[in-house]
Amino acid sequence: NAGVTQTPKFQVLKTGQSMTLQCAQDMNHEYMSWYRQDPGMGLRLIHYSVGAGITDQGEVPNGYNVSRSTTEDFPLRLLSAAPSQTSVYFCASITRGLGTEAFFGQGTRLTVV
Amino acid sequence: DQQVKQNSPSLSVQEGRISILNCDYTNSMFDYFLWYKKYPAEGPTFLISISSIKDKNEDGRFTVFLNKSAKHLSLHIVPSQPGDSAVYFCAGGFSGNTGKLIFGQGTTLQVKP
Repeated sequence: NAGVTQTPKFQVLKTGQSMTLQCAQDMNHEYMSWYRQDPGMGLRLIHYSVGAGITDQGEVPNGYNVSRSTTEDFPLRLLSAAPSQTSVYFCASITRGLGTEAFFGQGTRLTVV
Repeated sequence: DQQVKQNSPSLSVQEGRISILNCDYTNSMFDYFLWYKKYPAEGPTFLISISSIKDKNEDGRFTVFLNKSAKHLSLHIVPSQPGDSAVYFCAGGFSGNTGKLIFGQGTTLQVKP
């Protein structure tokens, strides 16, 4: 059982380039989210999804796009990378109900130069 | 607006002693809270949770206390072990159909042998 798989693990982009961070889960969870981790800022919610075809903005959505065409996949797109988007990105797959728990991927370390 | 706050960036304790990590929140609509542990270069992993209708939840060496009137929760680790050295995040969640979790900034715990 792979859980949550994120690719790539590391990426360096030039300012203005675009890229997609991939996230896949095999736990059949309806809920998925993207977070970024920055020093002193903790984990901040970028976008989240409550099911295929349904997404919503989190705390820091600007500069990022998401879509959810299947239950398994939740890619995060940077259309025009900026140095402020240098961060570690985590995808989470979340169970539903009172015992809600988030399962995180290993993270993608992105540097924008 | 930081809905979940961990005001202590770091904590150092001696092995065998108690570690107390604190978390404050401003959003009274949270239905439950979770604690996550994160080692370097890994994704966060779930530790323990508490429903907003409870004031205590215990799991082995880990106990979470919730004081709703003060909008404050704490994680107690007894006894602390060197392997507990990690970054600890608290998060608040909503039981509605969102799967949305809001995290604090994190506290780095160092347990000295």
